[in-house]
Amino acid sequence: ETGVTQTPRHLVMGMTNKKSLKCEQHLGHNAMYWYKQSAKKPLELMFVYNFKEQTENNSVPSRFSPECPNSSHLFLHLHTLQPEDSALYLCASSQVSTGDYGYTFGSGTRLTVV
Amino acid sequence: QQQVKQSPQSLIVQKGGISIINCAYENTAFDYFPWYQQFPGKGPALLIAIRPDVSEKKEGRFTISFNKSAKQFSLHIMDSQPGDSATYFCAASEWAQKLVFGQGTRLTINP
Repeated sequence: ETGVTQTPRHLVMGMTNKKSLKCEQHLGHNAMYWYKQSAKKPLELMFVYNFKEQTENNSVPSRFSPECPNSSHLFLHLHTLQPEDSALYLCASSQVSTGDYGYTFGSGTRLTVV
Repeated sequence: QQQVKQSPQSLIVQKGGISIINCAYENTAFDYFPWYQQFPGKGPALLIAIRPDVSEKKEGRFTISFNKSAKQFSLHIMDSQPGDSATYFCAASEWAQKLVFGQGTRLTINP
């Protein structure tokens, strides 16, 4: 496995369900990110983790709960979501300490809330 | 101040033509300006990036032009090919943290 891997690729959940999105990076990066991509809107930064510590929560509702157990794995726990939360959720990683600013994105999880 | 404004929203170019996408920003602390390319069903992929100490960067058919005083930067795709059809995002960040993205441009190259 190389790059950034996200699972599942597609997820349909009811508003009362609890589910988790998983992201794994195989690049040795030390920062990981969750972005939300909705139709006709810019990619929205949700959370930033540097060296496993959360450094940014971009006013995200508490029904989204991130977890970063180590520098290679990132989870997004979902509960009691709303239909407007339906979107593509993208994970990305980067190496912030070397001056290489490029983000590597996964292919995303397409979430549909019914 | 954190916004990056991108135009046009959609663009159709004939094969072999030049595709031009523009972005503008307000935050003068931004010091990194990448462009990402996204195909359907895939995440965005880094295409080319520039720092504000240079006015132009070229990689193959892709060129970024950067105007610091106007706070604008643009992507030029020379000799556009059907395989270039994708959605393009400009972005900006301060010290590599918290990339802020433009709204995206859907580019279609007609054969």
